[in-house]
Amino acid sequence: AQKITQTQPGMFVQEKEAVTLDCTYDTSDQSYGLFWYKQPSSGEMIFLIYQGSYDEQNATEGRYSLNFQKARKSANLVISASQLGDSAMYFCAMRRPISSGSARQLTFGSGTQLTVLP
Amino acid sequence: AAGVIQSPRHLIKEKRETATLKCYPIPRHDTVYWYQQGPGQDPQFLISFYEKMQSDKGSIPDRFSAQQFSDYHSELNMSSLELGDSALYFCASITRGNTGELFFGEGSRLTVL
Repeated sequence: AQKITQTQPGMFVQEKEAVTLDCTYDTSDQSYGLFWYKQPSSGEMIFLIYQGSYDEQNATEGRYSLNFQKARKSANLVISASQLGDSAMYFCAMRRPISSGSARQLTFGSGTQLTVLP
Repeated sequence: AAGVIQSPRHLIKEKRETATLKCYPIPRHDTVYWYQQGPGQDPQFLISFYEKMQSDKGSIPDRFSAQQFSDYHSELNMSSLELGDSALYFCASITRGNTGELFFGEGSRLTVL
């Protein structure tokens, strides 16, 4: 079974500073996908960044980067130059490969509530 | 670009009533997923459909049923509603061969009184 662990229920960061949100995972699959989603208080689930298990380079999307350490099974999200609008819940998620027969649904971590301070 | 459309966005029902949530996937997306997110919880997978057939089942109660129609939209039917069914219900879509992101709708918030 897959498991996603986010050990930080809440994080605070000063505006314009960088912050790292931790995510570790457990899987026996060789091929998998790792995702980060942002959920503001309005509730929608916003895709941020994706890392495939065979991708050799860390994924980056604007101010978001994913620090992927496969041997440690960690996929931390780094947000650079935090903005007040970054305050939200952040979920790490994993998707199994098609061959697993699980239709590739996502398994989510428990989330980290990030608050950006002015 | 068109996104995943969910309706209604908000729904209030009483215990033992029924509710139907609708999901319109992104055009040409053939796979739909339903998730339930309780207050303060992470989203839990309920059920998924590929090409109008159920492809996988998660923690969906027997009181719930779902289907995908010929135009690929999906409906989640919930009967004998309980207080614990109050949650945000997400629909997400993707094309089967796509290994990238799952596109989520904005969610339907169900409140059971």
